[in-house]
Amino acid sequence: DTGVSQDPRHKITKRGQNVTFRCDPISEHNRLYWYRQTLGQGPEFLTYFQNEAQLEKSRLLSDRFSAERPKGSFSTLEIQRTEQGDSAMYLCASRTGTGELFFGEGSRLTVL
Amino acid sequence: GESVGLHLPTLSVQEGDNSIINCAYSNSASDYFIWYKQESGKGPQFIIDIRSNMDKRQGQRVTVLLNKTVKHLSLQIAATQPGDSAVYFCAENYGGSQGNLIFGKGTKLSVKP
Repeated sequence: DTGVSQDPRHKITKRGQNVTFRCDPISEHNRLYWYRQTLGQGPEFLTYFQNEAQLEKSRLLSDRFSAERPKGSFSTLEIQRTEQGDSAMYLCASRTGTGELFFGEGSRLTVL
Repeated sequence: GESVGLHLPTLSVQEGDNSIINCAYSNSASDYFIWYKQESGKGPQFIIDIRSNMDKRQGQRVTVLLNKTVKHLSLQIAATQPGDSAVYFCAENYGGSQGNLIFGKGTKLSVKP
């Protein structure tokens, strides 16, 4: 499989719990992005990595959210003390340079 | 085919007709634009892109038109097929940002057989 891979595809959690999502980008892609998408809306940018460096963060990324890409390959997005408003699809995308941005299938979070 | 007003949330066309999906973008400094197709439960899929130094670009059955004067982008799909049914998003990338794509709200295309 040469596409962007995300895990888990669906996570149901109770309010207040922590959750972590993983993204494996296309192997030769040095740029990795996280987006959030709620029902009926377009994806909203959260953060972006070039190799292991986190270069840009949206104001949407509150202090309960943290993203890492420790070795410049896979990335994790952790949400601490989840709230019902965090329920959304979390999309990962990768690209090389300024080329086409490839999205994964997303990780859907439901906070009860 | 049928022409639609800006930012119409749904578009219904007959199989075989041409579709035109419109998008108004927000930032005059945007220099790169992309159309994505998203099927239910899946991630967005790249369709076609265009840079700001162009006003038209063609792909297989798709054409993107860019009018920078009025900050308008359109996607034309020729001979629309049932498999084209999806939500279509335009996205803009303004200069100075390395991939912070700003997505529009999307248009749902339904193709009637």
